[in-house]
Amino acid sequence: AQSVAQPEDQVNVAEGNPLTVKCTYSVSGNPYLFWYVQYPNRGLQFLLKYITGDNLVKGSYGFEAEFNKSQTSFHLKKPSALVSDSALYFCAAGGGADGLTFGKGTHLIIQP
Amino acid sequence: ETGVTQTPRHLVMGMTNKKSLKCEQHLGHNAMYWYKQSAKKPLELMFVYNFKEQTENNSVPSRFSPECPNSSHLFLHLHTLQPEDSALYLCASSQVVGLAGGPGTQYFGPGTRLTVL
Repeated sequence: AQSVAQPEDQVNVAEGNPLTVKCTYSVSGNPYLFWYVQYPNRGLQFLLKYITGDNLVKGSYGFEAEFNKSQTSFHLKKPSALVSDSALYFCAAGGGADGLTFGKGTHLIIQP
Repeated sequence: ETGVTQTPRHLVMGMTNKKSLKCEQHLGHNAMYWYKQSAKKPLELMFVYNFKEQTENNSVPSRFSPECPNSSHLFLHLHTLQPEDSALYLCASSQVVGLAGGPGTQYFGPGTRLTVL
Protein backbone atom coordinates (compact mmCIF):
# COMPACT_ATOMS: atom_id res chain seq x y z
CA ALA A 1 0.00 0.00 0.00
CA GLN A 2 1.17 3.52 -0.65
CA SER A 3 0.36 6.78 1.10
CA VAL A 4 1.00 10.47 0.66
CA ALA A 5 1.09 13.04 3.44
CA GLN A 6 0.75 16.79 3.16
CA PRO A 7 1.33 17.99 6.71
CA GLU A 8 0.04 21.54 6.24
CA ASP A 9 -3.62 22.34 5.67
CA GLN A 10 -2.71 25.89 4.70
CA VAL A 11 0.41 27.81 3.77
CA ASN A 12 0.49 31.62 3.78
CA VAL A 13 3.16 33.48 1.81
CA ALA A 14 3.62 37.12 0.91
CA GLU A 15 3.70 37.93 -2.78
CA GLY A 16 7.23 37.91 -4.12
CA ASN A 17 8.55 35.59 -1.41
CA PRO A 18 9.61 31.99 -2.06
CA LEU A 19 7.06 29.30 -1.31
CA THR A 20 7.27 25.66 -0.28
CA VAL A 21 4.44 23.15 -0.05
CA LYS A 22 5.47 19.97 1.70
CA CYS A 23 4.82 16.37 0.69
CA THR A 24 6.13 13.06 2.01
CA TYR A 25 5.38 9.65 0.62
CA SER A 26 5.46 5.98 1.43
CA VAL A 27 5.54 3.57 -1.51
CA SER A 28 6.81 0.11 -2.26
CA GLY A 29 8.91 -0.05 -5.39
CA ASN A 30 9.85 2.96 -7.52
CA PRO A 31 8.30 6.24 -6.43
CA TYR A 32 6.33 7.98 -9.15
CA LEU A 33 5.30 11.37 -7.79
CA PHE A 34 3.07 14.16 -9.08
CA TRP A 35 1.88 17.63 -8.15
CA TYR A 36 -1.50 18.99 -9.23
CA VAL A 37 -3.23 22.32 -8.61
CA GLN A 38 -6.97 22.91 -8.28
CA TYR A 39 -8.64 26.29 -8.67
CA PRO A 40 -12.22 26.79 -7.35
CA ASN A 41 -14.86 24.87 -9.29
CA ARG A 42 -12.25 23.39 -11.61
CA GLY A 43 -10.65 20.01 -12.12
CA LEU A 44 -7.04 19.23 -11.30
CA GLN A 45 -4.28 20.71 -13.44
CA PHE A 46 -0.98 18.86 -13.79
CA LEU A 47 2.09 20.80 -12.62
CA LEU A 48 5.01 18.38 -12.68
CA LYS A 49 6.13 14.83 -12.02
CA TYR A 50 9.11 12.76 -10.94
CA ILE A 51 9.60 9.43 -12.66
CA THR A 52 13.38 9.00 -12.70
CA GLY A 53 16.52 11.04 -13.28
CA ASP A 54 17.32 14.48 -11.87
CA ASN A 55 16.06 15.09 -8.36
CA LEU A 56 15.04 18.66 -9.24
CA VAL A 57 12.00 18.64 -11.49
CA LYS A 58 10.78 21.77 -13.26
CA GLY A 59 7.14 22.20 -14.17
CA SER A 60 4.48 24.63 -15.26
CA TYR A 61 4.07 28.26 -14.11
CA GLY A 62 7.58 28.45 -12.62
CA PHE A 63 7.04 25.65 -10.11
CA GLU A 64 9.66 23.03 -9.31
CA ALA A 65 9.91 20.13 -6.91
CA GLU A 66 12.81 18.37 -5.26
CA PHE A 67 12.77 14.60 -4.91
CA ASN A 68 14.62 13.46 -1.80
CA LYS A 69 14.81 9.71 -1.49
CA SER A 70 16.41 9.58 1.96
CA GLN A 71 13.73 11.83 3.43
CA THR A 72 10.96 10.36 1.24
CA SER A 73 9.90 13.87 0.35
CA PHE A 74 8.79 15.69 -2.77
CA HIS A 75 8.29 19.32 -1.77
CA LEU A 76 6.86 21.83 -4.24
CA LYS A 77 8.68 25.15 -4.55
CA LYS A 78 8.60 28.46 -6.38
CA PRO A 79 11.20 31.21 -6.03
CA SER A 80 8.76 34.13 -6.16
CA ALA A 81 5.05 33.71 -5.35
CA LEU A 82 2.24 35.40 -7.25
CA VAL A 83 -1.23 36.18 -5.94
CA SER A 84 -2.56 34.05 -8.81
CA ASP A 85 -0.77 31.02 -7.31
CA SER A 86 -3.39 30.94 -4.56
CA ALA A 87 -5.15 27.58 -4.95
CA LEU A 88 -5.40 24.04 -3.56
CA TYR A 89 -2.34 21.89 -4.22
CA PHE A 90 -2.26 18.10 -4.25
CA CYS A 91 0.68 15.73 -4.10
CA ALA A 92 0.08 12.24 -5.49
CA ALA A 93 1.91 8.94 -5.94
CA GLY A 94 1.50 5.98 -8.23
CA GLY A 95 -0.48 6.13 -11.45
CA GLY A 96 -0.84 3.87 -14.44
CA ALA A 97 -2.99 0.80 -13.96
CA ASP A 98 -3.16 1.41 -10.19
CA GLY A 99 -4.43 4.96 -10.29
CA LEU A 100 -3.11 7.77 -8.11
CA THR A 101 -3.03 8.03 -4.32
CA PHE A 102 -3.47 11.65 -3.25
CA GLY A 103 -2.54 13.65 -0.18
CA LYS A 104 -5.30 15.62 1.51
CA GLY A 105 -4.29 18.86 -0.20
CA THR A 106 -2.74 22.13 0.97
CA HIS A 107 -4.40 25.51 0.56
CA LEU A 108 -1.81 28.01 -0.63
CA ILE A 109 -2.67 31.64 0.08
CA ILE A 110 -0.51 34.37 -1.40
CA GLN A 111 -1.02 37.73 0.26
CA PRO A 112 -0.51 40.92 -1.77
CA GLU B 1 -8.45 21.85 -20.36
CA THR B 2 -10.68 20.62 -23.20
CA GLY B 3 -8.75 17.34 -23.44
CA VAL B 4 -11.12 15.67 -20.96
CA THR B 5 -14.76 16.72 -20.84
CA GLN B 6 -17.42 15.77 -18.34
CA THR B 7 -21.21 16.17 -18.46
CA PRO B 8 -23.24 17.30 -16.71
CA ARG B 9 -21.23 19.81 -14.68
CA HIS B 10 -23.87 19.88 -11.95
CA LEU B 11 -26.44 17.27 -10.98
CA VAL B 12 -29.05 17.19 -8.25
CA MET B 13 -30.85 13.90 -7.70
CA GLY B 14 -33.11 12.21 -5.22
CA MET B 15 -32.18 8.97 -3.54
CA THR B 16 -34.49 6.94 -5.78
CA ASN B 17 -33.35 8.43 -9.09
CA LYS B 18 -31.12 6.84 -11.69
CA LYS B 19 -28.66 9.06 -13.51
CA SER B 20 -25.38 8.76 -15.42
CA LEU B 21 -22.21 10.81 -15.55
CA LYS B 22 -20.33 10.98 -18.82
CA CYS B 23 -16.64 11.50 -19.51
CA GLU B 24 -14.93 11.83 -22.88
CA GLN B 25 -11.21 12.16 -23.56
CA HIS B 26 -9.75 13.56 -26.76
CA LEU B 27 -6.11 12.75 -25.97
CA GLY B 28 -5.75 9.29 -27.48
CA HIS B 29 -5.13 7.74 -24.06
CA ASN B 30 -5.64 4.07 -23.21
CA ALA B 31 -6.63 4.35 -19.54
CA MET B 32 -9.48 6.17 -17.83
CA TYR B 33 -10.29 6.75 -14.18
CA TRP B 34 -13.08 7.85 -11.84
CA TYR B 35 -12.19 9.70 -8.62
CA LYS B 36 -14.41 11.05 -5.85
CA GLN B 37 -13.58 14.34 -4.11
CA SER B 38 -15.62 15.05 -1.00
CA ALA B 39 -15.23 17.78 1.56
CA LYS B 40 -13.99 15.61 4.39
CA LYS B 41 -11.76 13.09 2.62
CA PRO B 42 -8.79 13.14 0.26
CA LEU B 43 -9.37 12.39 -3.40
CA GLU B 44 -10.34 8.74 -3.65
CA LEU B 45 -9.75 6.47 -6.62
CA MET B 46 -12.97 4.63 -7.54
CA PHE B 47 -12.38 2.77 -10.79
CA VAL B 48 -9.64 2.23 -13.38
CA TYR B 49 -10.16 1.10 -16.95
CA ASN B 50 -7.13 -0.04 -18.90
CA PHE B 51 -7.74 -0.64 -22.62
CA LYS B 52 -11.50 -0.73 -21.84
CA GLU B 53 -11.05 -3.44 -19.19
CA GLN B 54 -11.75 -2.64 -15.56
CA THR B 55 -8.57 -3.25 -13.61
CA GLU B 56 -9.39 -1.58 -10.31
CA ASN B 57 -12.51 -1.34 -8.21
CA ASN B 58 -11.55 0.37 -5.01
CA SER B 59 -14.24 -1.19 -2.79
CA VAL B 60 -16.89 1.06 -4.27
CA PRO B 61 -20.54 0.33 -3.36
CA SER B 62 -22.59 -1.33 -6.08
CA ARG B 63 -24.86 1.70 -6.36
CA PHE B 64 -22.03 3.10 -8.52
CA SER B 65 -21.67 1.20 -11.79
CA PRO B 66 -18.99 2.14 -14.32
CA GLU B 67 -19.08 1.49 -18.05
CA CYS B 68 -16.33 1.95 -20.62
CA PRO B 69 -17.66 1.23 -24.12
CA ASN B 70 -14.43 2.36 -25.84
CA SER B 71 -11.13 3.94 -24.92
CA SER B 72 -12.51 7.49 -25.33
CA HIS B 73 -15.68 7.27 -23.25
CA LEU B 74 -16.37 6.46 -19.63
CA PHE B 75 -19.67 6.49 -17.78
CA LEU B 76 -20.63 6.28 -14.14
CA HIS B 77 -24.19 5.01 -13.64
CA LEU B 78 -25.78 6.05 -10.37
CA HIS B 79 -28.79 4.54 -8.61
CA THR B 80 -30.23 4.57 -5.11
CA LEU B 81 -27.58 6.98 -3.89
CA GLN B 82 -27.25 8.29 -0.36
CA PRO B 83 -26.75 11.90 0.77
CA GLU B 84 -23.15 11.07 1.75
CA ASP B 85 -22.46 10.35 -1.93
CA SER B 86 -22.70 14.07 -2.61
CA ALA B 87 -19.28 15.08 -3.93
CA LEU B 88 -17.29 16.23 -6.93
CA TYR B 89 -16.73 13.31 -9.30
CA LEU B 90 -13.62 13.65 -11.40
CA CYS B 91 -12.71 11.73 -14.52
CA ALA B 92 -9.12 11.41 -15.73
CA SER B 93 -7.27 9.76 -18.58
CA SER B 94 -3.66 8.81 -19.28
CA GLN B 95 -1.39 6.53 -21.19
CA VAL B 96 -0.82 3.55 -18.94
CA VAL B 97 2.92 3.86 -19.62
CA GLY B 98 4.46 7.26 -20.30
CA LEU B 99 7.04 8.13 -22.92
CA ALA B 100 9.83 8.19 -20.34
CA GLY B 101 8.70 4.95 -18.74
CA GLY B 102 6.70 4.82 -15.57
CA PRO B 103 3.02 5.75 -15.49
CA GLY B 104 1.69 8.33 -17.90
CA THR B 105 0.46 11.66 -16.59
CA GLN B 106 -3.22 11.74 -15.73
CA TYR B 107 -5.24 14.63 -17.13
CA PHE B 108 -8.45 15.54 -15.38
CA GLY B 109 -11.81 16.80 -16.50
CA PRO B 110 -13.60 19.67 -14.72
CA GLY B 111 -15.74 17.31 -12.66
CA THR B 112 -19.45 16.81 -12.00
CA ARG B 113 -20.76 18.34 -8.79
CA LEU B 114 -23.33 15.84 -7.50
CA THR B 115 -25.85 16.63 -4.80
CA VAL B 116 -28.04 13.84 -3.46
CA LEU B 117 -31.15 15.00 -1.63
